[in-house]
Amino acid sequence: QQQVKQSPQSLIVQKGGISIINCAYENTAFDYFPWYQQFPGKGPALLIAIRPDVSEKKEGRFTISFNKSAKQFSLHIMDSQPGDSATYFCAPANAGGTSYGKLTFGQGTILTVHP
Amino acid sequence: GAGVSQTPSNKVTEKGKYVELRCDPISGHTALYWYRQSLGQGPEFLIYFQGTGAADDSGLPNDRFFAVRPEGSVSTLKIQRTERGDSAVYLCASSLRGGPGEKLFFGSGTQLSVL
Repeated sequence: QQQVKQSPQSLIVQKGGISIINCAYENTAFDYFPWYQQFPGKGPALLIAIRPDVSEKKEGRFTISFNKSAKQFSLHIMDSQPGDSATYFCAPANAGGTSYGKLTFGQGTILTVHP
Repeated sequence: GAGVSQTPSNKVTEKGKYVELRCDPISGHTALYWYRQSLGQGPEFLIYFQGTGAADDSGLPNDRFFAVRPEGSVSTLKIQRTERGDSAVYLCASSLRGGPGEKLFFGSGTQLSVL
């Protein structure tokens, strides 16, 4: 898991604010960059993902920004809501490898959105 | 079923005992994955099944861990001679074909506690 480093470990924002979580990776074979959201007592759920042929992808309030040269990608949550309070994981993978679902999870970022 | 089902949701055992954890993937999904999530950490890959065969078992920590999927649907993770360090949440995930960048659907996990 040291191949993937997330920051910050925890984040507190006010309702309506912007939440930004960063992920740095070492393995240049990674070519699939997802973010997962996990609520207590539940398994992770895919939030948004990007492939390296684009630098940004937006889905609703969620945006991934990707910087291939820096080997970093980030998650931006616009207009953060209390319901977004959860743990977020980056989990890059080598989608061209033989085990496409072999994700390498970061350590997680605990997001708290205050009303 | 509607989602990935894991049973039991909680399992308490004593050091040295044998345990079996069950996973029912989404109907029709040929790819099945086991992950282990220790407290405060991201999930770690254990094993990947494509159909009945283990395509990648590189994440199994040692030979006390074994998994099967005899009919290509339900899978069982088996742990022999359990140790306190095996305490974690064991997550199962499935995807349609195990193709590049496919969405993984996770179950809620089995919380294993070894006393």
